[in-house]
Amino acid sequence: EPEVTQTPSHQVTQMGQEVILRCVPISNHLYFYWYRQILGQKVEFLVSFYNNEISEKSEIFDDQFSVERPDGSNFTLKIRSTKLEDSAMYFCASSEARTGALSEQYFGPGTRLTVT
Amino acid sequence: AQKVTQAQTEISVVEKEDVTLDCVYETRDTTYYLFWYKQPPSGELVFLIRRNSFDEQNEISGRYSWNFQKSTSSFNFTITASQVVDSAVYFCALRGYQTGANNLFFGTGTRLTVIP
Repeated sequence: EPEVTQTPSHQVTQMGQEVILRCVPISNHLYFYWYRQILGQKVEFLVSFYNNEISEKSEIFDDQFSVERPDGSNFTLKIRSTKLEDSAMYFCASSEARTGALSEQYFGPGTRLTVT
Repeated sequence: AQKVTQAQTEISVVEKEDVTLDCVYETRDTTYYLFWYKQPPSGELVFLIRRNSFDEQNEISGRYSWNFQKSTSSFNFTITASQVVDSAVYFCALRGYQTGANNLFFGTGTRLTVIP
């Protein structure tokens, strides 16, 4: 069964460093998402991406964040200058459509980011 | 605005007991989707069910059942004859058709512990 994959599973970085989190969505999916879950808290939407541009973003997704689909398979989240409060689990998700029966968002296993 | 409330932070039950996880939602959208996700200790998000707002039929899948009541804006989840493997955090989520149609709004989750 096709699945969303994410690398790395765990990333440790120092405050102020740039990190890139990678995701490979399901191959026939067209809509891509990033969510964040701070330890012990709820999952929060960051951004959605379609047709090579951001379609929606939350207040959390400020200028230090960016997303990119550098090739036909990868979808990346870059944090330009990490802060301690960026420590969280980051989930990538993808869906085939935006609405209707094919709009199911399938989540990857997550990347745990630890900023020290 | 979209909002999902899971008032039960933690629940403990003894194996084979039935347990119901509550979810109450708020939305101004007339069409919306409701979801339940399971997050086991390993951290991934596992999709359990999606329900459309125009379909109030309850659903049963094995030991799982869902009770959607539009009149009370609730979408409760019942596990029958609970097992230790059911121990996880369960998230209820909402996606509007009109508002923020790309993103899922999650509740704060209910941690279920099934004691052998």
